[in-house]
Amino acid sequence: RKEVEQDPGPFNVPEGATVAFNCTYSNSASQSFFWYRQDCRKEPKLLMSVYSSGNEDGRFTAQLNRASQYISLLIRDSKLSDSATYLCAVNGFTDKLIFGTGTRLQVFP
Amino acid sequence: GAGVSQSPSNKVTEKGKDVELRCDPISGHTALYWYRQRLGQGLEFLIYFQGNSAPDKSGLPSDRFSAERTGESVSTLTIQRTQQEDSAVYLCASSLDGGRIYEQFFGPGTRLTVL
Repeated sequence: RKEVEQDPGPFNVPEGATVAFNCTYSNSASQSFFWYRQDCRKEPKLLMSVYSSGNEDGRFTAQLNRASQYISLLIRDSKLSDSATYLCAVNGFTDKLIFGTGTRLQVFP
Repeated sequence: GAGVSQSPSNKVTEKGKDVELRCDPISGHTALYWYRQRLGQGLEFLIYFQGNSAPDKSGLPSDRFSAERTGESVSTLTIQRTQQEDSAVYLCASSLDGGRIYEQFFGPGTRLTVL
């Protein structure tokens, strides 16, 4: 089993839709969780950290489910500009962050 | 402030040549990572430097790949006798500390093309 797994998608959603992605991780002792956004031919950029209590930034909500070992990212009122690949990152069995392979989102008019 | 910088931004080389890629991390960041990303693929971890600890080289795909870091500053990734399958974007990232707490910040990458 991979340390961090994501559904590659693509998720094709219309503008205004709500979409959610999950990311499962295998190390129950993981402490650090992040969501990154990567646009085509660009480097990943930090979108938000994921805290135990969950956190919200505008249309984006990130949550952590320790019991089931996954994090989620919810995007409300999707915009065309949200089209990108969303990567989760979790600290693994060693001290380094492990990245998922990403979930591709395509928002259409 | 200044982010992570990488050079060159693009490199085209012939098969069999050696290449050297450079990464300047954010000042004060003790952890530095190298990744490879092939077209349409995810991030492939290569190597991780954390302070003065021995680097984690577990992701290096072959002995043609090596990396060095001087203290907590610049790092260079060297690929010897390049092969066409080495063509990819090589991304560098730095963080305040190891991945336990702090997020990584990425440079713009070096796009390597091996002809």
